[in-house]
Amino acid sequence: KNQVEQSPQSLIILEGKNCTLQCNYTVSPFSNLRWYKQDTGRGPVSLTIMTFSENTKSNGRYTATLDADTKQSSLHITASQLSDSASYICVVHAPGYSSASKIIFGSGTRLSIRP
Amino acid sequence: NAGVTQTPKFRVLKTGQSMTLLCAQDMNHEYMYWYRQDPGMGLRLIHYSVGEGTTAKGEVPDGYNVSRLKKQNFLLGLESAAPSQTSVYFCASSYGGLKVVDTEAFFGQGTRLTVV
Repeated sequence: KNQVEQSPQSLIILEGKNCTLQCNYTVSPFSNLRWYKQDTGRGPVSLTIMTFSENTKSNGRYTATLDADTKQSSLHITASQLSDSASYICVVHAPGYSSASKIIFGSGTRLSIRP
Repeated sequence: NAGVTQTPKFRVLKTGQSMTLLCAQDMNHEYMYWYRQDPGMGLRLIHYSVGEGTTAKGEVPDGYNVSRLKKQNFLLGLESAAPSQTSVYFCASSYGGLKVVDTEAFFGQGTRLTVV
């Protein structure tokens, strides 16, 4: 069964500190992996996308990594800010013509930044 | 630029009542989706559509129906609401092409539904 598992479920860190969120998946075959940020009471918004051939990609203070061999991805947040408080969702796409049903969501990591 | 708009934002229903959630997108996307989000669980796909006039079942379709009469609108119906359908519902849309960049989903702000 295709699964996406994220850890930790929740995390509290102090403002200015760094943190790393983990995503392990069993989806096969694999097309791409996205990290979404979901603010409280809002819909998820895409942060970054990783394809099979990419190892690292940065978007400001967010850096995503992908190891397609071990089926693991991480999202590293540098110098956290209060606005980083949100849920971070890992989403894996399996390829296919009708790929609408081949989008597998992780349950998310809830990150809280304390001043 | 509105993106994806869901109506209503909040709703309380009594068991057995019916209602329709409306999703509208102005990005000319082919694919549209309805998800539900429950505490501690990932977004689960209810139904989706790959184009005007088409619908398909997702992971948790029971108790829901959908229609896509116009490309920009995707309606989710609950014929006889049950407490188990208490959830936050998200609509999303994507371009639907085969390129990797086309897989980005754009989400609405969500509808919080409580069935008592």
